[in-house]
Amino acid sequence: GQQLNQSPQSMFIQEGEDVSMNCTSSSIFNTWLWYKQEPGEGPVLLIALYKAGELTSNGRLTAQFGITRKDSFLNISASIPSDVGIYFCAGPPHPYNTDKLIFGTGTRLQVFP
Amino acid sequence: DVKVTQSSRYLVKRTGEKVFLECVQDMDHENMFWYRQDPGLGLRLIYFSYDVKMKEKGDIPEGYSVSREKKERFSLILESASTNQTSMYLCASSPGSAEYFGPGTRLTVT
Repeated sequence: GQQLNQSPQSMFIQEGEDVSMNCTSSSIFNTWLWYKQEPGEGPVLLIALYKAGELTSNGRLTAQFGITRKDSFLNISASIPSDVGIYFCAGPPHPYNTDKLIFGTGTRLQVFP
Repeated sequence: DVKVTQSSRYLVKRTGEKVFLECVQDMDHENMFWYRQDPGLGLRLIYFSYDVKMKEKGDIPEGYSVSREKKERFSLILESASTNQTSMYLCASSPGSAEYFGPGTRLTVT
């Protein structure tokens, strides 16, 4: 079945640094979603992408829908301690059925002051 | 803002007990989902529902059942709780594509 691979698995960075992470699939996706999950909480939707090549920002976060439609990227600029958490990509596995998602394995981000 | 609420943040139950986890969403979404999340295994779909009184099995339905009597409410039922059902349970709702999650229920079965 379709899988979403995220890299890196974890990142340990200094406050103020920029962060880049990506998500790849062996098959085409029509939608890419990025979520953040803080310890003990449910995932929160950060950014949704619906078109190949689309670049969307949400504050210090920027995500891109890859041109090949098989990947997506999330960047965080000038990281702060509250960026700590696990970042998941997700997308609907079937082109014409957008009701169920598959999730990436997550990138765990740790920010040191 | 979309709001998905779960009835409990933390629950401790004994082996063999019947457990109900409740989820309510206030955005009139058609679709609702129950996941469990375990370290190293990620999010795994237990059951989902596209409409009232409708349910479909996800990837790991064994040991669970669900009920959707009203559009806004989706309940997960553990008929006879077992220790391997100790986990974080997440409910989500969706109008299609993006899913919106509740805060989670951490269930411990002793």
